[in-house]
Amino acid sequence: DAGVIQSPRHEVTEMGQEVTLRCKPISGHNSLFWYRQTMMRGLELLIYFNNNVPIDDSGMPEDRFSAKMPNASFSTLKIQPSEPRDSAVYFCASSALGGLSEKLFFGSGTQLSVL
Amino acid sequence: GESVGLHLPTLSVQEGDNSIINCAYSNSASDYFIWYKQESGKGPQFIIDIRSNMDKRQGQRVTVLLNKTVKHLSLQIAATQPGDSAVYFCAENLSAGGTSYGKLTFGQGTILTVHP
Repeated sequence: DAGVIQSPRHEVTEMGQEVTLRCKPISGHNSLFWYRQTMMRGLELLIYFNNNVPIDDSGMPEDRFSAKMPNASFSTLKIQPSEPRDSAVYFCASSALGGLSEKLFFGSGTQLSVL
Repeated sequence: GESVGLHLPTLSVQEGDNSIINCAYSNSASDYFIWYKQESGKGPQFIIDIRSNMDKRQGQRVTVLLNKTVKHLSLQIAATQPGDSAVYFCAENLSAGGTSYGKLTFGQGTILTVHP
């Protein structure tokens, strides 16, 4: 089975540039989550979609961050302009909420380095 | 200023020993808990889950114990193997009104190192 697919695996960019991270959730899952992982703060939930609709974006750091889910099989997380403090691993996860389990399936992450 | 990272708890065991990883959760209303394993360079991987109406659940070589009185969760790994070396995270979820909300809150993690 294809799990959650994220691209790119690694992104190195310069401060001020726009960065777009992509995610394809597991087919049939109705919820999608973007997490950020750093040594300082661990795993933090940025935003959560249910049936393509953003439900909770309280974790989005600031207006430089935006996320979209135009359809059930694709989501993007955009940072514009990027800053060095955005350097982290960004994970996308999906889940079939409403069933007997709320377990999330994570992608392999995008390692972002902003120079 | 100098940045300070999280100081994760660490557990070192010998291959074949049993491991116990502990977690204190924060929300007494949380009703669903999960353990994840994260290997270097990979995303967190589901290990086992438990609902608040249970106090123990067993999987293959793993057991999760839940003590709601003291808000404590533990993961027991039997006959630990070198491949079990990873960071282990507990996560809690509050299901709102019986509808799965899905907003997992993760703990800081514990580094498990298994020596051959």
